[in-house]
Amino acid sequence: QITLKESGPTLVKPTQTLTLTCTFSGFSLSTSGVGVGWIRQPPGKALEWLALIYWDDNKHYSPSLKSRLTIAKDTSKNQVVLTMTNMDPVDAATYYCAHRSLTMLQGSAYWYFDLWGRGTLVTVSS
Amino acid sequence: EIVLTQSPDFQSVTPKEKVTITCRASQSIGISLHWYQQKPQQSPKLLIKYASQSFSGVPSRFSGSGSGTHFTLTINSLEAEDAATYYCHQSNSFPLTFGGGTKVEIK
Repeated sequence: QITLKESGPTLVKPTQTLTLTCTFSGFSLSTSGVGVGWIRQPPGKALEWLALIYWDDNKHYSPSLKSRLTIAKDTSKNQVVLTMTNMDPVDAATYYCAHRSLTMLQGSAYWYFDLWGRGTLVTVSS
Repeated sequence: EIVLTQSPDFQSVTPKEKVTITCRASQSIGISLHWYQQKPQQSPKLLIKYASQSFSGVPSRFSGSGSGTHFTLTINSLEAEDAATYYCHQSNSFPLTFGGGTKVEIK
């Protein structure tokens, strides 16, 4: 059974760096075809993808936030860490991590987020 | 960036009615389109993967169709527990993007 859980500060000050940890079980990030992503959702708004890391340490970032984001994995701890620098009140949101799965269908690869953590709400205020 | 446009934004529906939600992509994405259900104070749950395949455990009243730029999520015979916001999501290319969501309310 795959589970993911986000952890980190609930309140950060403007200009500070946010560090969030996704601790997961039921899979290994050293297994081929596996990834973990981060998605956020401001209160009352839509989902926004932030970053993604794969089993082979390949990484992808949202272009609009790339300069502020770093994603890294610790396979031995079953954790993925996301850091976001220079936090601003507009970054206030629920931050989710999600398991990224791969299906091969008729010779093509299809990736999707199948299971998500419960999310962690981050407030940005002085 | 591929923009996903969902319609309608909001729908108020009577139980047992049929619900159709549309997601249009700004460019062709094949079948790399997935649907999620999010209930209040909960995380998104995968309903449909790669356009038309139901995820494990999803009730059969949920179905998806489409390819290219036009996709549809259908809920046959809506139940009260289906009150939620539904999002489409494309994984064809980076950056990954989500639609703006469709809120389904039960009358």
